[in-house]
Amino acid sequence: DVKVTQSSRYLVKRTGEKVFLECVQDMDHENMFWYRQDPGLGLRLIYFSYDVKMKEKGDIPEGYSVSREKKERFSLILESASTNQTSMYLCASSKRGSLMNTEAFFGQGTRLTVV
Amino acid sequence: AQKITQTQPGMFVQEKEAVTLDCTYDTSDPSYGLFWYKQPSSGEMIFLIYQGSYDQQNATEGRYSLNFQKARKSANLVISASQLGDSAMYFCAMRGMYNQFYFGTGTSLTVIP
Repeated sequence: DVKVTQSSRYLVKRTGEKVFLECVQDMDHENMFWYRQDPGLGLRLIYFSYDVKMKEKGDIPEGYSVSREKKERFSLILESASTNQTSMYLCASSKRGSLMNTEAFFGQGTRLTVV
Repeated sequence: AQKITQTQPGMFVQEKEAVTLDCTYDTSDPSYGLFWYKQPSSGEMIFLIYQGSYDQQNATEGRYSLNFQKARKSANLVISASQLGDSAMYFCAMRGMYNQFYFGTGTSLTVIP
C-alpha cells in the first residue's frame, strides 16, 4: 500500500520555537508538496520540490522554509513559530512527468497549535 | 497564475438524490489536469476522479462523474445516488505544466437521510 507519512498527528509548540514537520513517501515520487489547510481557505501551497535539493515557493512561503536532502523525505521548517501559523499541515507527493493524470497522494496531516 | 474557484461553501442533498458541486478554474497552461478529492471528517484526502484538458469525454468513476466544459473553464463533480457516507469536504484541484497542484476552498456536502 502506497504511503505518505507525516511524523506527527498533533503538535503543540511555543511562539518563537523552531518547528520541524517531517514527511516521508515510499512511492519513489519526484514531486513533494507542503500545504496548509484553514477553514474557508482550502489548501494553500507553501512550498514544493521536484527533485532532491530543489524547491520552489508556493503561494504562502513567508515564515517557512523546506529541506529535501533525500528523495523520499521533505521537511517543512517554521523558523520562528507564530500563533498565525496554527493550522493543519498536509504533505503530498506525486510522480513527475508530462502526463497530467497522476494524482497527488496525501499524508494524514499534522495539526499544529502555536501557543 | 493558476486559480481554482469553488463558490459553494456548503451543500445539502437528500439521500439517493444526485448533487452537483461546482468548480471553475483559470490557467494559461495549454495542458492541465483536473482532480476532485474527498476529505471526510477523519481528515484523509481521498482521490475521486481525474479529467485531462485534452480528454474528449467526461470522466466517470462509479457514482462520480465530471461535467467538463473546457470553453467555460468549469469541471463540476456530479455525485449520483448520494449516500450518507458521501458527507464530507470536497476539493477541486488542478495540476499545471510545472507539476504543482492548486486547490479550491472546498465545498462541505451534507447528505440528509
